[in-house]
Amino acid sequence: DSGVTQTPKHLITATGQRVTLRCSPRSGDLSVYWYQQSLDQGLQFLIQYYNGEERAKGNILERFSAQQFPDLHSELNLSSLELGDSALYFCASSPYGSGADTQYFGPGTRLTVL
Amino acid sequence: AQSVTQPDIHITVSEGASLELRCNYSYGATPYLFWYVQSPGQGLQLLLKYFSGDTLVQGIKGFEAEFKRSQSSFNLRKPSVHWSDAAEYFCAVGGNTGNQFYFGTGTSLTVIP
Repeated sequence: DSGVTQTPKHLITATGQRVTLRCSPRSGDLSVYWYQQSLDQGLQFLIQYYNGEERAKGNILERFSAQQFPDLHSELNLSSLELGDSALYFCASSPYGSGADTQYFGPGTRLTVL
Repeated sequence: AQSVTQPDIHITVSEGASLELRCNYSYGATPYLFWYVQSPGQGLQLLLKYFSGDTLVQGIKGFEAEFKRSQSSFNLRKPSVHWSDAAEYFCAVGGNTGNQFYFGTGTSLTVIP
């Protein structure tokens, strides 16, 4: 158990809908990362937050957005969903958000778009 | 541009045999190198990491990796594979010049009895 929690575990929705994925980092970690894992794209970095502020942005679509709240939990919002958004979404956390940090991964949220 | 390459998409080894998973990186500054493992249906777990010092790094579950700067490689090894090692293995690189963190595409390991 990494100490990172993600809810929900599974999510099934229809095209065009909007969903919110939630992540609680390990106690004491200030940085949160979001990743998308799919069969054709592999593990793709989406976005990173540090202590409530966006720190780095990767291959995140404009339909997707995220935020980190004062209690350090984070939410990833996915809107106007398409079939291709079906994937496993991971959250990770780290103490300082630097490139040297070990990232601790949550169990993931499996999103299925029908 | 920074990148990580894992040339082997899938590897099959017999239980008890030795294992080497390849990882090559491209990074403009001092790299921090990681190996993660993902068991089916699970999140990623850190096996080991290299920052500096001894180029041979020991990790959990009997894994080790060797950093070779001249070859831009950070290959993962295990002398004797167990059936429970069957999983997906990811090499990753981070650095101290920013917050970039890059994963390779992964190598899937199958262990046959």
